[in-house]
Amino acid sequence: GQQVKQSSPSLTVQEGGISILNCDYENDMFDYFAWYKKYPDNSPTLLISVRSNVDKREDGRLTVFLNKSGKHFSLHITASQPEDTAVYLCAAGAWVATGGNNKLTFGQGTVLSVIP
Amino acid sequence: NAGVIQTPRHKVTGKGQEATLWCEPISGHSAVFWYRQTIVQGLEFLTYFRNQAPIDDSGMPKERFSAQMPNQSHSTLKIQSTQPQDSAVYLCASSRDWGGEQYFGPGTRLTVL
Repeated sequence: GQQVKQSSPSLTVQEGGISILNCDYENDMFDYFAWYKKYPDNSPTLLISVRSNVDKREDGRLTVFLNKSGKHFSLHITASQPEDTAVYLCAAGAWVATGGNNKLTFGQGTVLSVIP
Repeated sequence: NAGVIQTPRHKVTGKGQEATLWCEPISGHSAVFWYRQTIVQGLEFLTYFRNQAPIDDSGMPKERFSAQMPNQSHSTLKIQSTQPQDSAVYLCASSRDWGGEQYFGPGTRLTVL
């Protein structure tokens, strides 16, 4: 089964608005959560990540919120710009629980379009 | 810092031929991962090395696929008797150490005719 799910295949936001991208997961052992950005024909680029001991992390216009009880994490992009248009992939890993196995499980991606 | 290097960037093979994909991790990174991306399945884990030792190959197809890391500066993914369903973008990633964040290479687009 799909352990990491991005239920929205696409999202359109007006320039200057807030983009909210969501990710749900099933595995209780996940303790690392990340968001990657991907342009067509390019490889994923790490945007921001968070460990399970925090429920929020900010980096500039990006904020990750983690809700462990709800098995949900999200990426908020404030002041969205047209250059934010890309595919956003969420990913999770169970590093501590597996004694150091760092492999990531990815969602299917959400296409974000920021329109001027 | 050159980032993760993958060669070739594109490879076209005929059905039944062998394909070898190369990855050079970021210098100083001790963990190397291989993933495969397709439109249908998305980005899937294949295999993982730490300090050159194979740690987890649970994502590797049991037949025809193999991976090695003979030294700390490169890893190879070999696909024997390639089939059209092997067509995908194969991504290599590396991380600094246990629990380190993963950085991806540009990928190798494999097309099996």
